[in-house]
Amino acid sequence: TQLLEQSPQFLSIQEGENLTVYCNSSSVFSSLQWYRQEPGEGPVLLVTVVTGGEVKKLKRLTFQFGDARKDSSLHITAAQPGDTGLYLCAGAEDNNNDMRFGAGTRLTVKP
Amino acid sequence: NAGVTQTPKFRVLKTGQSMTLLCAQDMNHEYMYWYRQDPGMGLRLIHYSVGEGTTAKGEVPDGYNVSRLKKQNFLLGLESAAPSQTSVYFCASSRFRGWEPQHFGDGTRLSIL
Repeated sequence: TQLLEQSPQFLSIQEGENLTVYCNSSSVFSSLQWYRQEPGEGPVLLVTVVTGGEVKKLKRLTFQFGDARKDSSLHITAAQPGDTGLYLCAGAEDNNNDMRFGAGTRLTVKP
Repeated sequence: NAGVTQTPKFRVLKTGQSMTLLCAQDMNHEYMYWYRQDPGMGLRLIHYSVGEGTTAKGEVPDGYNVSRLKKQNFLLGLESAAPSQTSVYFCASSRFRGWEPQHFGDGTRLSIL
């Protein structure tokens, strides 16, 4: 069982559509990060959220950290083919500094 | 900017063979990590290091050994490779642990026959 459950596992949409992917856990995290990974490359950090209820925007991407710091969401507005990739969430638990990763959501945006 | 460099990028081994994966970072980071990535499993931490000369076990350390003789290098060794170790291996580094972002290399794809 994954500490961080990401859903959906796969998502295929048309260019211009909006989408939301989720990262859920029963654990409380002191911080949560979102990474994007493209084929043949390592993950690259998109954002870090540290405060319950925090919302961060990065151009067309909106990240939210749940009030209880157990979950997070990533919303993409008007998706583009360049958004295609594997989106990973990672959290540092309150009681230790280990960063644990979810299995990811594989997003495909078709032109 | 090189960042984190992993060598080799691809390798095929036979069961029982040994090999070493090399990770080098040029950001003067204290912390370095080795992960494996398998379909549906996400990134799982194998071993990590909090500084030169130190190493610690992660979530899935069995069958692997590591060394951090120099601050910029972190080596991952497989003494006797098994098919279950077929995976993509990623090295990462960071200034601190926890919320500090990790910088990843581009991975080593390892197949064990």
